[in-house]
Amino acid sequence: GDSVTQMEGPVTLSEEAFLTINCTYTATGYPSLFWYVQYPGEGLQLLLKATKADDKGSNKGFEATYRKETTSFHLEKGSVQVSDSAVYFCALKHTGNQFYFGTGTSLTVIP
Amino acid sequence: EAGVTQFPSHSVIEKGQTVTLRCDPISGHDNLYWYRRVMGKEIKFLLHFVKESKQDESGMPNNRFLAERTGGTYSTLKVQPAELEDSGVYFCASSLGLAGASNEQFFGPGTRLTVL
Repeated sequence: GDSVTQMEGPVTLSEEAFLTINCTYTATGYPSLFWYVQYPGEGLQLLLKATKADDKGSNKGFEATYRKETTSFHLEKGSVQVSDSAVYFCALKHTGNQFYFGTGTSLTVIP
Repeated sequence: EAGVTQFPSHSVIEKGQTVTLRCDPISGHDNLYWYRRVMGKEIKFLLHFVKESKQDESGMPNNRFLAERTGGTYSTLKVQPAELEDSGVYFCASSLGLAGASNEQFFGPGTRLTVL
């Protein structure tokens, strides 16, 4: 069945460091891929998405590229800020109603 | 415009008790979803309403869980009787159309349920 695997955290980085959070998926066909972010005390928010192979989703300095050949959708940011501290979830949606989420990766950025 | 709200934010109950969680979706959103995140695990889909009808309840873990959406507005999720493994964070989300690449789903802050 469909599933998402993302790197375990927690991840702690210094401000302005480079961020990569790995995400790989298992699905038949061509699912849509998403990154959600959950800031403390809030619900999940859509960060970015990609709907087909080689698409790049981007938002707030974050980027992720849909790689069909490696079934991956890694999240990257060139220079993190303290305000990026949050939990990040990779997700996919295929046919049907269901989203499939990863386990979440907690990021803490220290000044 | 108000976002998705959930009540309560936290609930601590003893095994065997009953708990009812409530979700108020964004006004006008016909699609409502329930998800659960058990500690350290992935967020899992529970069920999906379109207006007052259950479209997909394949993720409901067992018959101790009952979800309703009378009148197609707010929804409740009742757990009766609660077991230890029911502990986790229950998220609600809503969307205008079927959630996916074309229709964003908006999440509530979640209800943290602890069963002792």
